[in-house]
Amino acid sequence: QVQLVQSGAEVKKPGASVKVSCKASGYSFTSYYIHWVRQAPGQGLEWMGVINPSGGGTTTYAQKFQGRLTVTRDTSASTVYMELTSVTFEDTAMYYCARVFSSSSYFFDYWGQGTLVSVSS
Amino acid sequence: AIQMTQSPSSLSASVGDRVTMTCRASQGIRDDLAWYQQKPGKAPKVLIYATSTLHSGVPSRFSGSGSGTDFTLTISSLQPEDSATYYCLQDYNYPWTFGQGTKVEIK
Repeated sequence: QVQLVQSGAEVKKPGASVKVSCKASGYSFTSYYIHWVRQAPGQGLEWMGVINPSGGGTTTYAQKFQGRLTVTRDTSASTVYMELTSVTFEDTAMYYCARVFSSSSYFFDYWGQGTLVSVSS
Repeated sequence: AIQMTQSPSSLSASVGDRVTMTCRASQGIRDDLAWYQQKPGKAPKVLIYATSTLHSGVPSRFSGSGSGTDFTLTISSLQPEDSATYYCLQDYNYPWTFGQGTKVEIK
C-alpha cells in the first residue's frame, strides 16, 4: 500500500535550519510529484513547493519561500527532503508532504502524517 | 499568484441540512479545482477534484460545481461526521493556492 512516512518532530531556535524527510513506499517513486504543504497552529493550509522525483528533480517553490526553501530527493532511498533555512517563530507549523495523482487532473491522493516544527528561543 | 477566496469562513447547520460553500479565484482556472476535508489533528483528504469529480469512496452527498472563477461545494444532507474544515485548492498553475477554509459545525 502507498505510504508517505515523515520524520519526527523538530524544535529549532530562530535562525536555524530544519530538514524534514518524507519516505515513500508502495509505488514507483519517480512516477509521482511530491508537494509540501504547511499549516500553522489554528491556521489554514499553505502550499510551499513541489518536486518531480524523476530526471533532474525539478522543483518549483512559492515566492514566499524563495531563497529559504530547498526540496531534494534521493531516488535510491525513495525519500524527499524539505529544508527550510533561517527559520522564525512564524515557521512554527505542521509540515506535510503529499503525493499528486495526475492523469488529466491533479489532486493530493496520499499525505504524510505530518511533522511538527516548533521554533522557540 | 492566483488568490482563492472561500466563503463563508464558518457555518453552523443541522443534521440533514443542505450546505453550500463557495470558492472564488482571482482569475480563471478552467475546472482545475479540488476540495479537501480536514478534521482536527489529521491530514486533509480529497473529496472532489476537477471541480466536480467525486473521489473514490467519498459519499455521494458531496458534490462540486462551477468553472472559470466561481466554484461551489455542496453537502446535500449534512451528517455528524461532516464536521470539519473544507479547503479549495487550485491546481491551474504554480504556485498552487488554497482558500482560507470553511469550518462546518453541527448544531
